[in-house]
Amino acid sequence: IAGITQAPTSQILAAGRRMTLRCTQDMRHNAMYWYRQDLGLGLRLIHYSNTAGTTGKGEVPDGYSVSRANTDDFPLTLASAVPSQTSVYFCASSEHREANYGYTFGSGTRLTVV
Amino acid sequence: GDSVTQMEGPVTLSEEAFLTINCTYTATGYPSLFWYVQYPGEGLQLLLKATKADDKGSNKGFEATYRKETTSFHLEKGSVQVSDSAVYFCALTELGNNNDMRFGAGTRLTVKP
Repeated sequence: IAGITQAPTSQILAAGRRMTLRCTQDMRHNAMYWYRQDLGLGLRLIHYSNTAGTTGKGEVPDGYSVSRANTDDFPLTLASAVPSQTSVYFCASSEHREANYGYTFGSGTRLTVV
Repeated sequence: GDSVTQMEGPVTLSEEAFLTINCTYTATGYPSLFWYVQYPGEGLQLLLKATKADDKGSNKGFEATYRKETTSFHLEKGSVQVSDSAVYFCALTELGNNNDMRFGAGTRLTVKP
C-alpha cells in the first residue's frame, strides 16, 4: 500500500540522548515535512524539504535537524533530547510544493523524553 | 502571518445530528483551504479542499464552502455517524508557499449512538 512509513511508533528517551525518527515514502513525492502535534496547539512545522538535496526551517526548528539524501527518506534527528520535545511527530509529503495539493501523513511517532 | 482559527471542542452529538465546525482564516494572499480528519491513533487524512473563492469541497458527506467575504471555511455534515468521531483540523496554505501549511488547533468530535 502506497504511503508514508514512520518508525518507531513510540519511544521513551532519556534526556540528553540522540534520537533519529525515520520517515520513508513510496509515492515519489517531491516535498516532505515534519510536524509536531501538541494538545491545544495543533500541528507546527519543524522542517521541510521541497526536493531531494534541499531542506528548510519551519516554525519550530530549534533542537532538530533533517537531511534529504534521496526522494524517499526524510529522517528527523534530535541531537540532545529535552523534555519539551515530548510530542507526537508526524511526517508528511506532497506531490508538489504548490498550494492546491494536500498532504499525505504518516501514522506518527509518539516520543516521550524523561 | 497567515493563521487559522477553528471552534474549540470538544463537540458531542447524537447520531444523525447536523454538524458544523467553524473555521475562519487570516491570509495575505490567495490561500487554498483544507479540512483534515484524524482518527484515534492515526495520522491526519485529507478530507476535502477548496482552492479558490466560492469553491465547495465535499467528501464522505462532508462539505465546506470557501467564503472569501467572511474568510471562512466551515465544515458541515447533514447526518453524522458514530464512525465520524475523530479530530478535525482546518488548514490553509498560500500559492507558491506549500512548505508552510498552517493548521488550526483541531476540534474533537464525539458522536454517540
